Amino acid sequence: KQEVTQIPAALSVPEGENLVLNCSFTDSAIYNLQWFRQDPGKGLTSLLLIQSSQREQTSGRLNASLDKSSGRSTLYIAASQPGDSATYLCAVRLTGRRALTFGSGTRLQVQP
Amino acid sequence: NAGVMQNPRHLVRRRGQEARLRCSPMKGHSHVYWYRQLPEEGLKFMVYLQKENIIDESGMPKERFSAEFPKEGPSILRIQQVVRGDSAAYFCASSPWGGEVMYFGPGTRLTVT
Repeated sequence: KQEVTQIPAALSVPEGENLVLNCSFTDSAIYNLQWFRQDPGKGLTSLLLIQSSQREQTSGRLNASLDKSSGRSTLYIAASQPGDSATYLCAVRLTGRRALTFGSGTRLQVQP
Repeated sequence: NAGVMQNPRHLVRRRGQEARLRCSPMKGHSHVYWYRQLPEEGLKFMVYLQKENIIDESGMPKERFSAEFPKEGPSILRIQQVVRGDSAAYFCASSPWGGEVMYFGPGTRLTVT
């Protein structure tokens, strides 16, 4: 059974800092990995999707990496801004399935 | 192109009543997924549907819960005889045929009193 763990559970940083969010998964037979952002009381917004054959994806100030062999992904946020404050969720899709398995998230607070 | 729409956004039910949650996928999307987020927990997969077919219901509780995605109209998640433990946010997501990215709706927050 796939398990997804995110560390840290919460993070508070001053504006402008670069930061790294971590995601680990137990079953390396993944099809892809997706990072989402969730604002309080809102739905999820897809940030980046990495296919199992890829090592990283970039979008603006966000960069996500994937190491299948070690079961890890990181989300790097450059020059953080108060508007980045949200919960960041990592989700894994296994080969042969459409369902996503989510981690519990990292709650990020960027202080102005 | 409107996003995934869910209604109602908030639903209050007394124990024993029925709850019906509706989801309209994005235009052109033929895959619908339901997830549940219990308080202080992560999202858990419930069911995956295509038009008129349930493809994967491995995350659905065996009793009281059912889902459908008819040929016409929204997908419906139905919870019969609700209990307090059903209180959660229920999210619907959709994706196009062959598409990888899932697009999530704003969720329905169910409170059972």
